[in-house]
Amino acid sequence: DTGVSQDPRHKITKRGQNVTFRCDPISEHNRLYWYRQTLGQGPEFLTYFQNEAQLEKSRLLSDRFSAERPKGSFSTLEIQRTEQGDSAMYLCASSTGGYYNEQFFGPGTRLTVL
Amino acid sequence: KQEVTQIPAALSVPEGENLVLNCSFTDSAIYNLQWFRQDPGKGLTSLLLIQSSQREQTSGRLNASLDKSSGRSTLYIAASQPGDSATYLCAVRRSGNTPLVFGKGTRLSVIA
Repeated sequence: DTGVSQDPRHKITKRGQNVTFRCDPISEHNRLYWYRQTLGQGPEFLTYFQNEAQLEKSRLLSDRFSAERPKGSFSTLEIQRTEQGDSAMYLCASSTGGYYNEQFFGPGTRLTVL
Repeated sequence: KQEVTQIPAALSVPEGENLVLNCSFTDSAIYNLQWFRQDPGKGLTSLLLIQSSQREQTSGRLNASLDKSSGRSTLYIAASQPGDSATYLCAVRRSGNTPLVFGKGTRLSVIA
């Protein structure tokens, strides 16, 4: 069990550019969640996958955001035409579901949009 | 809409003190509640998870209690150490499949 991993850990981009983040969940976990956290706030839910199916999307996930989880393994989160308001920590979590459905978080990707 | 509030927002205590962090939620119809620790610029580490049918969970110097009917949870830290300095986040889930709803956290500083 190597834990949830995220890549890159830090990303600096210019406004208007596209960025893509990757999340590798714990290997036996079939559920994967994306959250966004801004300074001084708790994480806010963005979207959720069970295997390869995207089951829920938050209203925070505008048309510029898209997430995929091909083959139910790793997931990618893409932000198109980045804006300064997209600057945040993007966190990925995974779980097995089941009775407790305890979520385990990765280290996050810190995005700075200049 | 579920709202989670954590009080205080920040807390500074001398080493060795016992302390309590508070979490309240507006909708008592929760499935479970998780307490997390977050170090600056890092991801979240799960500390304790309490199912709605449980009253408390313990791990080492940490004890979390849940009063679902009143919409409250507390995290008790015994004999605090400088290494406990971090932000502590509380989060609730409405059902087994739903995402977590977080509070803003309590930033704890333990002074040696």
